Amino acid sequence: GDSVTQMEGPVTLSEEAFLTINCTYTATGYPSLFWYVQYPGEGLQLLLKATKADDKGSNKGFEATYRKETTSFHLEKGSVQVSDSAVYFCALTGNTGGFKTIFGAGTRLFVKA
Amino acid sequence: DAGVIQSPRHEVTEMGQEVTLRCKPISGHNSLFWYRQTMMRGLELLIYFNNNVPIDDSGMPEDRFSAKMPNASFSTLKIQPSEPRDSAVYFCASSPSTGTSTDTQYFGPGTRLTVL
Repeated sequence: GDSVTQMEGPVTLSEEAFLTINCTYTATGYPSLFWYVQYPGEGLQLLLKATKADDKGSNKGFEATYRKETTSFHLEKGSVQVSDSAVYFCALTGNTGGFKTIFGAGTRLFVKA
Repeated sequence: DAGVIQSPRHEVTEMGQEVTLRCKPISGHNSLFWYRQTMMRGLELLIYFNNNVPIDDSGMPEDRFSAKMPNASFSTLKIQPSEPRDSAVYFCASSPSTGTSTDTQYFGPGTRLTVL
């Protein structure tokens, strides 16, 4: 079945550091890929998405490129801020099976001032 | 837009009691999802509805859990009887359900359940 694997956390960075959170997936066909973010005490919210191969999703300085050849969707940001501290979830929605969304385990990011 | 509304935000109950969690999806959204989040198991999909009909309830842990969606603007998740291992944050989410894989899910703020 479909699955998502993302790097384990926590990831601890200093402010203005470069961020990469790795995400790889297994799916049949051409799923849509998502990054969701969860701030403390809140529900998940969409950060960015890409719906076909080679698409780049971007938002708030974060970027991720849909790489079908490596089945990856790594999240990057050039300069993190303390306010980026949160849990980040990689997810996919397949094109079969009722469009069920599969979430990764989440990666907690701490950014120090 | 008010977003997805969940109530209560916090619930503390004793083992054996019935618990009912409530959700109002975003108006116009056709799909509704119930998730459970714990440190040990992460985010788990319990059940989802499309046009008020349960599509996949394979994530419902056991018969103690039940979910209903009597109309497009309201859903409940009931646990009877509750047990301490049910303690978790329960999220409701809705999506517009365009019939493609591109739909974004919109999450509510969650209900933090503690069963003593």
